[in-house]
Amino acid sequence: GAVVSQHPSRVICKSGTSVKIECRSLDFQATTMFWYRQFPKQSLMLMATSNEGSKATYEQGVEKDKFLINHASLTLSTLTVTSAHPEDSSFYICSARDSTNTEAFFGQGTRLTVV
Amino acid sequence: GESVGLHLPTLSVQEGDNSIINCAYSNSASDYFIWYKQESGKGPQFIIDIRSNMDKRQGQRVTVLLNKTVKHLSLQIAATQPGDSAVYFCAEREYGNKLVFGAGTILRVKS
Repeated sequence: GAVVSQHPSRVICKSGTSVKIECRSLDFQATTMFWYRQFPKQSLMLMATSNEGSKATYEQGVEKDKFLINHASLTLSTLTVTSAHPEDSSFYICSARDSTNTEAFFGQGTRLTVV
Repeated sequence: GESVGLHLPTLSVQEGDNSIINCAYSNSASDYFIWYKQESGKGPQFIIDIRSNMDKRQGQRVTVLLNKTVKHLSLQIAATQPGDSAVYFCAEREYGNKLVFGAGTILRVKS
């Protein structure tokens, strides 16, 4: 299957700072990327969907000013957690899909810990 | 609908036995379904998919069954191995739309 690379795999940041997570499709053009959050022992919760060159569509309850998503190219999307708080600590996972609209491929996830 | 973030149920099986993991989906308009395996600290890994015009699909050691009447999906793993221990999620998608994950099941394989 296609490869989606997520970076960093884990990050620790201080409360009040911002952290950026990158999601790259390595061998295909990702027209759509998805960002998920997963708390321990729970399922993946979709945060937002982004199409290349367009503004992201956020799920209900997800603050768009806190979770900034940029999908400026067909191979890169970034999620920036602004003014992070300990409750933002979670596992963030991206997935990417090409224009054929079939399966989406997942990155390896980013463990964010806010202290 | 969206996963409600429930704590995950656990299925324990003996090595070599067959495993059956079940999933109820909510959107009757969903036309594509996927099973994912997630190991600790990693992203989901694609196992097998099925479209709504099918009721069964087989892969290597895995079979997915789809019952649209009752909106039920199952994953059967033959001759379960210790390496199969993970969390398994089903996901549903209405064409062109987002993928919605089910609650997930922890599979523990006892040697």
